[in-house]
Amino acid sequence: EVQLVESGGGVVQPGGSLRLSCAASGFTFDDYAMHWVRQAPGKGLEWVSLISGDGGSTYYADSVKGRFTISRDNSKNSLYLQMNSLRTEDTALYYCAKAEIDLYYFDYWGQGTLVTVSS
Amino acid sequence: EIVMTQSPATLSVSPGERATLSCRASQSVSSNLAWYQQKPGQAPRLLIYGASTRATGIPARFSGSGSGTEFTLTISSLQSEDFAVYYCQQYNNWPTFGQGTKVEIK
Repeated sequence: EVQLVESGGGVVQPGGSLRLSCAASGFTFDDYAMHWVRQAPGKGLEWVSLISGDGGSTYYADSVKGRFTISRDNSKNSLYLQMNSLRTEDTALYYCAKAEIDLYYFDYWGQGTLVTVSS
Repeated sequence: EIVMTQSPATLSVSPGERATLSCRASQSVSSNLAWYQQKPGQAPRLLIYGASTRATGIPARFSGSGSGTEFTLTISSLQSEDFAVYYCQQYNNWPTFGQGTKVEIK
């Protein structure tokens, strides 16, 4: 059974940093690209970032480019999102999501971790 | 960025009735279109990918159609567990989502 479990969310002041983690199990982790998708309170879904299976390629939404860094440790079946220079508009539930091979639709999602940026 | 527009924003339907949700892309996405269901307090669940292929375990009352820029999700006979928010998402380019359609009880 595929499981994705996020952690690391919390309350942080504007300009601060936070590192999210996602522990994966139930599939061959390094075969699949992994994504972060976020959802602001009461709002829709926004794709944030993706990383290839081998970690060699990373991509970001314009809204987070230069501030967020996605990474993975395939030896630990883990995905990360380092978030720097946080803004109030980054407040959201952050989901880790598994994509199908070579296709960027999301067949499994974690339950999310909440990031609140507030002074 | 490909903009996805869903209509209507809210759909009021009685149990047992048919629901038809629309999704339009600002440019062609071929058949690279997925639909998700999200219930309050839960993560999205994949329903449809490739515009018309049901994901594993999804009941046959859910069907998707369309290609290019116009897509439809049809729920043939609404069950109580189907009242939720539905999102479309294109993956022809960097992923983008529609703003969602809330299906509520009439």
